Amino acid sequence: NAGVTQTPKFRILKIGQSMTLQCAQDMNHNYMYWYRQDPGMGLKLIYYSVGAGITDKGEVPNGYNVSRSTTEDFPLRLELAAPSQTSVYFCASSSVPGGSQETQYFGPGTRLLVL
Amino acid sequence: EDQVTQSPEALRLQEGESSSLNCSYTVSGLRGLFWYRQDPGKGPEFLFTLYSAGEEKEKERLKATLTKKESFLHITAPKPEDSATYLCAVQAHTGGFKTIFGAGTRLFVKA
Repeated sequence: NAGVTQTPKFRILKIGQSMTLQCAQDMNHNYMYWYRQDPGMGLKLIYYSVGAGITDKGEVPNGYNVSRSTTEDFPLRLELAAPSQTSVYFCASSSVPGGSQETQYFGPGTRLLVL
Repeated sequence: EDQVTQSPEALRLQEGESSSLNCSYTVSGLRGLFWYRQDPGKGPEFLFTLYSAGEEKEKERLKATLTKKESFLHITAPKPEDSATYLCAVQAHTGGFKTIFGAGTRLFVKA
């Protein structure tokens, strides 16, 4: 199993450009999450999904969009990139909550720089 | 408002010098408290889940404990390879499946 994979690893965007951060998991997890991590700060939840076709906003959703057409994939779309979106983005997945199964597996992250 | 505060921000230890990391939380009905380890340039790696006050879990040199207001991550006789950032996070019963993370404690263990 590859676990949670993310592409690209690093990207530089110009202000106003758009891009999609890709995330895929091969563990058949229903729950998937997108976080951003700024230096010296905790992870902030952007969006999450409880299954294919179902998504919901987290703490900091402005400027982002998501879709979940399959169990495996959960792409994050940035429209009109702004310098405030410079961050490291992590995708995570987890199985149905409850008991010892409630753990999130994280991808390696995508480092985004908006100039 | 649900909140997680970790202390200290950074901790420097000599190899073999035991210590504890603190995670204080405010949440409306704790569903679960999680500890993660994060190495530089990598995603967080799951360590423990705690669900109720009094619960304890151990893994090698690490032991996590939970009270109604805080959790401790005890590190016994640390080694240089334990150097990392340790993240604490909580989920509330009323928060859907949103996870609130603390800023982390950066641990440096010198040989």
